[in-house]
Amino acid sequence: QVQLQESGPGLVKPSQTLSLTCTVSGGSISSGDYYWSWIRQPPGKGLEWIGYIYYSGSTYYNPSLKSRVTISVDTSKNQFSLKLSSVTAADTAVYYCARVLVGANPVTGWGQGTLVTVSS
Amino acid sequence: SYVLTQPPSVSVAPGQTARITCGGNNIGSKSVHWYQQKPGQAPVLVVYDDSDRPSGIPERFSGSNSGNTATLTISRVEAGDEADYYCQVWDSSSDHLVVFGGGTKLTVL
Repeated sequence: QVQLQESGPGLVKPSQTLSLTCTVSGGSISSGDYYWSWIRQPPGKGLEWIGYIYYSGSTYYNPSLKSRVTISVDTSKNQFSLKLSSVTAADTAVYYCARVLVGANPVTGWGQGTLVTVSS
Repeated sequence: SYVLTQPPSVSVAPGQTARITCGGNNIGSKSVHWYQQKPGQAPVLVVYDDSDRPSGIPERFSGSNSGNTATLTISRVEAGDEADYYCQVWDSSSDHLVVFGGGTKLTVL
């Protein structure tokens, strides 16, 4: 069974860049069957899709975050990563990495989530 | 961008039926997926493609989708069903954007 695990700093200063990595185990990120995604959830609020990457490197981002987001993939390490620049307190959230079967399909695998707080 | 509208809260007594709606423009033309999220946990898929259930999800969970409203129905509600529920679609008109509803808090009285 495929497992996803987020890692990265839990505290980021305002105006800096948030960086997270998702390690995929139990399956290959290069299989071509999935979109590898990032989703976030501010404390007490709903889910917000950030974007996803295909193993080939093709990316799709939420238009509201597009200017600040970069998602990349490292197939040799079976990992994909999120960078969110110029963060503010509004970016404080639990960040989930997830996988979505290619197509208009649901999210079928989630990481446990990691809380990132933006504060000086 | 495509907007999904859910009621903030729904309350139901144990054993009764809960209905959680998800409104969107012509949502009946899209596939709707539903997630359950309990405090401190990642969401869990409970219904996909409008009305299908993943393995392990009780038959009490069902879904429908027509016109401008999709509905998640939970029959014979149990205390353990108390959670937040989110609907989700893909909006191909917005460059493959994934859209979530705002979420509905189900309270079991």
